[in-house]
Amino acid sequence: GEDVEQSLFLSVREGDSSVINCTYTDSSSTYLYWYKQEPGAGLQLLTYIFSNMDMKQDQRLTVLLNKKDKHLSLRIADTQTGDSAIYFCADSGYSTLTFGKGTMLLVSP
Amino acid sequence: EAGVAQSPRYKIIEKRQSVAFWCNPISGHATLYWYQQILGQGPKLLIQFQNNGVVDDSQLPKDRFSAERLKGVDSTLKIQPAKLEDSAVYLCASSPPGRGLTSAEAFFGQGTRLTVV
Repeated sequence: GEDVEQSLFLSVREGDSSVINCTYTDSSSTYLYWYKQEPGAGLQLLTYIFSNMDMKQDQRLTVLLNKKDKHLSLRIADTQTGDSAIYFCADSGYSTLTFGKGTMLLVSP
Repeated sequence: EAGVAQSPRYKIIEKRQSVAFWCNPISGHATLYWYQQILGQGPKLLIQFQNNGVVDDSQLPKDRFSAERLKGVDSTLKIQPAKLEDSAVYLCASSPPGRGLTSAEAFFGQGTRLTVV
């Protein structure tokens, strides 16, 4: 079945860039997504990329997709303490979202 | 625009009891999802509705879980009887119409945290 893997934890200082990585196995994925989850809250869609794109930029967020290696990354520029949360990568193979276990991003002042 | 509404926010029950969760999707959203998120894991799809029909329930433990979406709007998810391993956050999400099934731009509610003791 489909599998999405992420590193579990990332710690950065405020103002630095953060890079969260994800690998997936489903080659039929049309869209790949990044969601953010703050404590006690539901998931908030941050951005997504269509599978025929290599890169998408949206303000402080940059998504890179290497379809050959099935590798997705999310770069957050000028990371702020408000960016501290769990970030989930998800692919959309077979019409349903498959999520990774999430990467906890901790931003220290 | 109002978001996805879920209730209750928290529920504690004993094992073998039954429990029900309610979800009101964003107005006009045809697709509704129920996800289970166990602590430390990503959400796992339980069931997906398109209007009031089931699109995917392959991961729903049908011996104890049931869900319905009467009239294609609100939905309820029921567990009967509950087990300890059902402790999780149950997330409801919805997607607007006109989206292909592979463009799953889902909007999530805050979830119901279930603790089975």
